[in-house]
Amino acid sequence: AQSVTQLDSQVPVFEEAPVELRCNYSSSVSVYLFWYVQYPNQGLQLLLKYLSGSTLVKGINGFEAEFNKSQTSFHLRKPSVHISDTAEYFCAVSDWDDYKLSFGAGTTVTVRA
Amino acid sequence: KAGVTQTPRYLIKTRGQQVTLSCSPISGHRSVSWYQQTPGQGLQFLFEYFSETQRNKGNFPGRFSGRQFSNSRSEMNVSTLELGDSALYLCASSFGEGRLRTEAFFGQGTRLTVV
Repeated sequence: AQSVTQLDSQVPVFEEAPVELRCNYSSSVSVYLFWYVQYPNQGLQLLLKYLSGSTLVKGINGFEAEFNKSQTSFHLRKPSVHISDTAEYFCAVSDWDDYKLSFGAGTTVTVRA
Repeated sequence: KAGVTQTPRYLIKTRGQQVTLSCSPISGHRSVSWYQQTPGQGLQFLFEYFSETQRNKGNFPGRFSGRQFSNSRSEMNVSTLELGDSALYLCASSFGEGRLRTEAFFGQGTRLTVV
């Protein structure tokens, strides 16, 4: 079974500063990787995904992530955050042949002016 | 294209009752998955349906059940509700099969409160 570790539970950051959210997963088999964002009382919105190909993945709202197979990591970055990026962020993984998503515990990002 | 629709958005039930939640996937999506989200346990997989067949089930008691209809709409049922069942229940749908499938698209969720 997959397990996902998000290394930071809370990340405070100032507006226009960069942010990095760290994610490690357990499996050594081929996987699909995702980052989702959740705003209060809302569902999950996909930020970006890695299925295959280039290890640097660009997503919506200026986010990007890098897949590192040797370190089993998929860290999320944004060079300059806005107040509106305040939300909870989830890293998720699934096996190639399994629709089940395993989620990390989430990272709460709070952007301050 | 309409997104994943979950109804109702909010529910309050009493311990011991049962509840049914509904999910309408994006048109053309045949896979529907359900997740439970709580502050203590985070996001946990409940089950996944594809073309009316349950293909995968998470580690939940038998009080949690689901089904999928021929139009891909899905329902989940929780019987004999316990206080610990209070959670946000999220439904997600995907298009395609196997390695060619899309990512999961999530609905807004149903907030269930058991009192």
